[in-house]
Amino acid sequence: RKEVEQDPGPFNVPEGATVAFNCTYSNSASQSFFWYRQDCRKEPKLLMSVYSSGNEDGRFTAQLNRASQYISLLIRDSKLSDSATYLCVVKVGSGAGSYQLTFGKGTKLSVIP
Amino acid sequence: GAGVSQTPSNKVTEKGKYVELRCDPISGHTALYWYRQSLGQGPEFLIYFQGTGAADDSGLPNDRFFAVRPEGSVSTLKIQRTERGDSAVYLCASSAAAHSETQYFGPGTRLLVL
Repeated sequence: RKEVEQDPGPFNVPEGATVAFNCTYSNSASQSFFWYRQDCRKEPKLLMSVYSSGNEDGRFTAQLNRASQYISLLIRDSKLSDSATYLCVVKVGSGAGSYQLTFGKGTKLSVIP
Repeated sequence: GAGVSQTPSNKVTEKGKYVELRCDPISGHTALYWYRQSLGQGPEFLIYFQGTGAADDSGLPNDRFFAVRPEGSVSTLKIQRTERGDSAVYLCASSAAAHSETQYFGPGTRLLVL
């Protein structure tokens, strides 16, 4: 079983749609959670961290359920510029021992005019 | 300010050859990481440096892979006797400290082994 699993995608949605990505992780020692965005042939960039209480950044909302080991990302009012691959990322451990990011395979989103 | 830079951006080599990939982290970042991303996959951890020392090299696939960071800044990933399966994008990242929330990635080196 992969450590981080995501919806396989691709997701093709019209502009203005709401789209949700789901992710599960297998290591219960995971302490930090993130969504990264990766444009075609570019490096991954941090989109947002994910906190237990849930957090929002503009049109983006991230949720974490530690009991179910489940992470989600909701994008409202999709824009053409949201087209990218979204990577679910976890980090095991905390403090000085916490450094290795474990990535899911990513889910590709295409927003269509 | 300047981000993480990597050179070359693309490298084509023949099976069996030796390659070196360079990473220049963000100035002042003590932690440096190498990841490898194969087509259709997420990045996979290779090695982590804290300062000059490799604190964790558990992700290196075999002894053909080696990395150094002699002065605690620039790092070089070295691959001996390259194989076609080594073809991937090699990503370098740095962070202010090992436990920092954010790792900043460079643009990667696309390695193609023919």
